[in-house]
Amino acid sequence: NAGVTQTPKFRVLKTGQSMTLLCAQDMNHEYMYWYRQDPGMGLRLIHYSVGEGTTAKGEVPDGYNVSRLKKQNFLLGLESAAPSQTSVYFCASRSRGEGTDTQYFGPGTRLTVL
Amino acid sequence: TQLLEQSPQFLSIQEGENLTVYCNSSSVFSSLQWYRQEPGEGPVLLVTVVTGGEVKKLKRLTFQFGDARKDSSLHITAAQPGDTGLYLCAGAWGHAGGTSYGKLTFGQGTILTVHP
Repeated sequence: NAGVTQTPKFRVLKTGQSMTLLCAQDMNHEYMYWYRQDPGMGLRLIHYSVGEGTTAKGEVPDGYNVSRLKKQNFLLGLESAAPSQTSVYFCASRSRGEGTDTQYFGPGTRLTVL
Repeated sequence: TQLLEQSPQFLSIQEGENLTVYCNSSSVFSSLQWYRQEPGEGPVLLVTVVTGGEVKKLKRLTFQFGDARKDSSLHITAAQPGDTGLYLCAGAWGHAGGTSYGKLTFGQGTILTVHP
């Protein structure tokens, strides 16, 4: 049981390049989330998904796209990377159940855009 | 947009001292969570408080939810070097099974360093 995994762990991009971050969870969770973490700003929600085939915008969605073709995977895409997207990206998942409020986080992807 | 103000942003103390971290908002939350994050890892949930006035204890850590469910505090007694890390509060509104979908609003975080 690996929990939530993220690939890659580190990446350096040049401005304008594209990339996809992969998040996978093996806990059969319905809800999945993508956050970015910047110094002094906590975690901010980029996009989220409440089930296979569904996605929705969070607090800071501009410049990102997501897809959830399979329940266990949630992909975050950057079509044309910008230096402002330099950040640490975290994926999280949780069950839909009322009594299970824990979000389980992956180890993060550190992205630098030059 | 619900906002959470967390303070202080940095805490540097000696082993054995006590400390309190605060989390305040102008909004009412249905629940509030506290996470701890180690360098190079994702946040890990410490506790969830749901009822106004609720107090929960986790060994030397005491968590309190304000009566109006707009603020919370984390108190650590006799801090140890192993307590060093980033502490984050996160508020949820509505119910996960409803249209809030378990979304969280995070505070800015408190970086705690406990010196031996």
